[in-house]
Amino acid sequence: NAGVTQTPKFRILKIGQSMTLQCTQDMNHNYMYWYRQDPGMGLKLIYYSVGAGITDKGEVPNGYNVSRSTTEDFPLRLELAAPSQTSVYFCASSSQIRDPSGNTIYFGEGSWLTVV
Amino acid sequence: SQKIEQNSEALNIQEGKTATLTCNYTNYSPAYLQWYRQDPGRGPVFLLLIRENEKEKRKERLKVTFDTTLKQSLFHITASQPADSATYLCALRLSYNTDKLIFGTGTRLQVFP
Repeated sequence: NAGVTQTPKFRILKIGQSMTLQCTQDMNHNYMYWYRQDPGMGLKLIYYSVGAGITDKGEVPNGYNVSRSTTEDFPLRLELAAPSQTSVYFCASSSQIRDPSGNTIYFGEGSWLTVV
Repeated sequence: SQKIEQNSEALNIQEGKTATLTCNYTNYSPAYLQWYRQDPGRGPVFLLLIRENEKEKRKERLKVTFDTTLKQSLFHITASQPADSATYLCALRLSYNTDKLIFGTGTRLQVFP
């Protein structure tokens, strides 16, 4: 019953540092997403992937990079961290194959990132 | 500009009453709309989906309506319980061919005994 697993749960970064948020799902979902959620704001899509080897930008991709080498994993990399990237990050997945019109999205528990 | 609006003020209701949350949108023509529940410190959890050609959807104590003319969805929880206290998010999917969801900011519901 793991679902979508994100690590780390909490992290403090200094300005200019880099790091990778890890995300893995065990539901064999073809679609995966990264969202960020700022206080009082809706979830904003950073990047998404429709399958291994395929990624695309969302609404707020600047300052981030992703890769999708396997169906299970979708890491999010922050290069040169900035205070504006302080946020809660959610990884999510869905199955276009099993639920073509519904696309229920399953979210991870979130990663709290602070850039100081 | 395109917007999704949910009441940013918390909704406080008494246990047993019906809670009604509103999701309004402008300049979108969504294929369907979803509602999610989010507890503090947790990720959103899917609750219900309603398609553009559906007026109403029910699941246990939950009911969602979708009025594409008014550009509004209402989310009802009947016989509310303190355990229903959470933030509720609406999300629009703009077409059946895209996988991007546009989320509202959410409304916090507090059910007190």
